[in-house]
Amino acid sequence: GNSVTQMEGPVTLSEEAFLTINCTYTATGYPSLFWYVQYPGEGLQLLLKATKADDKGSNKGFEATYRKETTSFHLEKGSVQVSDSAVYFCALRRDSGNTPLVFGKGTRLSVIA
Amino acid sequence: GAVVSQHPSRVICKSGTSVKIECRSLDFQATTMFWYRQFPKQSLMLMATSNEGSKATYEQGVEKDKFLINHASLTLSTLTVTSAHPEDSSFYICSASGGTQETQYFGPGTRLLVL
Repeated sequence: GNSVTQMEGPVTLSEEAFLTINCTYTATGYPSLFWYVQYPGEGLQLLLKATKADDKGSNKGFEATYRKETTSFHLEKGSVQVSDSAVYFCALRRDSGNTPLVFGKGTRLSVIA
Repeated sequence: GAVVSQHPSRVICKSGTSVKIECRSLDFQATTMFWYRQFPKQSLMLMATSNEGSKATYEQGVEKDKFLINHASLTLSTLTVTSAHPEDSSFYICSASGGTQETQYFGPGTRLLVL
């Protein structure tokens, strides 16, 4: 079946540090890949997405590249801020927007000043 | 982006009572809504897929008679937890998609505590 594996947290970084959150997936066919962010007390928000191999999604300084050869979609940011503290979820979707997402377990990021 | 609301945001109830959670798409027509459940420090687990005007499709292991889902209009889906028990305490999240939208928009979630 389809599944998403992401690195266990929590991750604690100092402000301006480099961030990588690893995500790998298992799926048949060619899924779309997503990163969602959940700030404290809020719902999930789409951070970025990629719909085909070698696509790079980017938003707010975050980026992730769809790597089919390694079935990965690692999230990176060159310089994190305190405001980036949140839980980050990697997810895949096999088909169209009307099919459900399969989520990883989430990685909690804490950025300290 | 599109907005999805949930109500209530938090509810505490006694064991044996029923609780209804509403999920509304505020600025688009949601032909499909999804209900997820999130346990502490765990991922979101899909409970059911709800298409407007038809019966919901439940995931394996989810009791359809306990978690009643109604999607009577293009902007509203409800989840009713019937005869709630402490083990039903969780964070329930809906998402909605519709029309030409490829993106699913998530509600802020409802935290249910059953005493």
